[in-house]
Amino acid sequence: LAKTTQPISMDSYEGQEVNITCSHNNIATNDYITWYQQFPSQGPRFIIQGYKTKVTNEVASLFIPADRKSSTLSLPRVSLSDTAVYYCLVGESYTGTASKLTFGTGTRLQVTL
Amino acid sequence: DAEITQSPRHKITETGRQVTLACHQTWNHNNMFWYRQDLGHGLRLIHYSYGVQDTNKGEVSDGYSVSRSNTEDLPLTLESAASSQTSVYFCASSESNRDNSPLHFGNGTRLTVT
Repeated sequence: LAKTTQPISMDSYEGQEVNITCSHNNIATNDYITWYQQFPSQGPRFIIQGYKTKVTNEVASLFIPADRKSSTLSLPRVSLSDTAVYYCLVGESYTGTASKLTFGTGTRLQVTL
Repeated sequence: DAEITQSPRHKITETGRQVTLACHQTWNHNNMFWYRQDLGHGLRLIHYSYGVQDTNKGEVSDGYSVSRSNTEDLPLTLESAASSQTSVYFCASSESNRDNSPLHFGNGTRLTVT
């Protein structure tokens, strides 16, 4: 299983760019990297997913170096509403391997004025 | 819009009672999962199903059971509730015919066992 390591918490001011790095030294060839966001009293919500290089959507960017042993979630110009817990997952969700997806304790991001 | 619904949102029960938590999804996903979330542990997989009549044990399955009689529902049963099962329970689903399809989560059921 590819274990992930993330910072427990991060603080940021509104309007700043936030980068959360996840370490996954044992990532397998078929593994993808997926990030979820969780607000209090809600289930986690998919943010972004990538395999290599860079992926960008309307919410975030995901940077993955060539060795794929880490990844960085980048949130541009955060607002108070981005205060949440962010989870990095490594693995496949396809049939037969979904049980290998492991949620760690995530990174608690606190955004203030 | 497709969604995944959990009920009840909150439940208080006594030790030893049987409790069933409902999960219903309208995504038409074959894969469904149950997780529990506790402080300091993140989300841990309890049971999962890849389709009708298929169920599998996850990391923390002791004391729990599931059944899958149709695509839409995966109820989670606590056979004899224990205080250690006080937690927030999340149901999720994903597509089975696409690599690395994201998990779609419900908003959880907060269970308290007294």
